[in-house]
Amino acid sequence: RKEVEQDPGPFNVPEGATVAFNCTYSNSASQSFFWYRQDCRKEPKLLMSVYSSGNEDGRFTAQLNRASQYISLLIRDSKLSDSATYLCVGGRGSQGNLIFGKGTKLSVKP
Amino acid sequence: DTAVSQTPKYLVTQMGNDKSIKCEQNLGHDTMYWYKQDSKKFLKIMFSYNNKELIINETVPNRFSPKSPDKAHLNLHINSLELGDSAVYFCASSQDRGGAPRIPGNTIYFGEGSWLTVV
Repeated sequence: RKEVEQDPGPFNVPEGATVAFNCTYSNSASQSFFWYRQDCRKEPKLLMSVYSSGNEDGRFTAQLNRASQYISLLIRDSKLSDSATYLCVGGRGSQGNLIFGKGTKLSVKP
Repeated sequence: DTAVSQTPKYLVTQMGNDKSIKCEQNLGHDTMYWYKQDSKKFLKIMFSYNNKELIINETVPNRFSPKSPDKAHLNLHINSLELGDSAVYFCASSQDRGGAPRIPGNTIYFGEGSWLTVV
């Protein structure tokens, strides 16, 4: 089983839709969970951290499910500008480096 | 000013050549990284330096050699380039080794990437 797995998509949704992505991780001891956003031909940028109790930032909500070892990202009221690839981070390597998933591509259509 | 800058942004070169990618960060961070993102978009750590000391050296061919003259710079030299080296190489930096924002502002910042095409 790969360390961090994501559905690559693409998720094609209309503007205003609510969309959710999941990301599974293999290391049950993982403590570091994040979502990064990567626009086409750009660098990844931190979108939000994922806390045990769940957290919200505007239209974005992140959740952690330790029992099933997955994290989720919910985007409400999708905007065209949300179109991007969303990379999840599901733990750290042996030297402390963040472990990224391959990303889920989201395309929001008018 | 760009926080993490890397050059060149685009590089097309022939197999067998030797090339370098330079990276500089002006954030005062202690840790710098090289990541490789291949055609399947998998972002994988290659190397990490903390205060000029190599702390991560993942399984990459020894044709790849990082060099950190000071903690603000981390260059990547690649010898005898192969077709499979074609990818986007991202430099990054963070305040601590993990690059995780355990405290506000302590996150990992990526450069804009260097698109390497080997022909």
